[in-house]
Amino acid sequence: EADIYQTPRYLVIGTGKKITLECSQTMGHDKMYWYQQDPGMELHLIHYSYGVNSTEKGDLSSESTVSRIRTEHFPLTLESARPSHTSQYLCASSVKINYGYTFGSGTRLTVV
Amino acid sequence: GQSLEQPSEVTAVEGAIVQINCTYQTSGFYGLSWYQQHDGGAPTFLSYNALDGLEETGRFSSFLSRSDSYGYLLLQELQMKDSASYFCAVIEGNTPLVFGKGTRLSVIA
Repeated sequence: EADIYQTPRYLVIGTGKKITLECSQTMGHDKMYWYQQDPGMELHLIHYSYGVNSTEKGDLSSESTVSRIRTEHFPLTLESARPSHTSQYLCASSVKINYGYTFGSGTRLTVV
Repeated sequence: GQSLEQPSEVTAVEGAIVQINCTYQTSGFYGLSWYQQHDGGAPTFLSYNALDGLEETGRFSSFLSRSDSYGYLLLQELQMKDSASYFCAVIEGNTPLVFGKGTRLSVIA
């Protein structure tokens, strides 16, 4: 049974739309992360948070923002979707930053 | 920044043993993690090595040599369900995990 939930599972939207990908976890983890992954490829860090009201940008953070108002919730927002944003977005959480990440099932985003 | 190298693909026979290597370059090394990801699925945590040596968890073992900046994941008694991608990962300082490009393991009958 998943302890970290991502919605929607699949999303197809038009260029220029604003979208928010949801991520919630029930484990009480302070650390949460967003990664982007194309099929069969490596994971790239987009944003991360080590606690409420604390967020940082990763290597691939352009054109997206995050918020951490509650421990369990870490949504990712794309202000203006573009076809280059087509990818899988994975949310994760952990107790420690160096190991033991639990990943959600991901959101597969297609921008047309 | 960090750099991780692992083979892109490995093929092995059901019931055999396979080793997936990972070399890394990073300052402030804390440990090496391994994750498994099946096609269409999410990565799942397999193991973590902070100290030199071998850690065993069932059919899977992971090894680390800090002096050589090298580690490996060892899978024994391979099963078809082990066909997946395997990622090594490290952190640097206080930043989250950086993942390697992944090794796609194909188990054949």
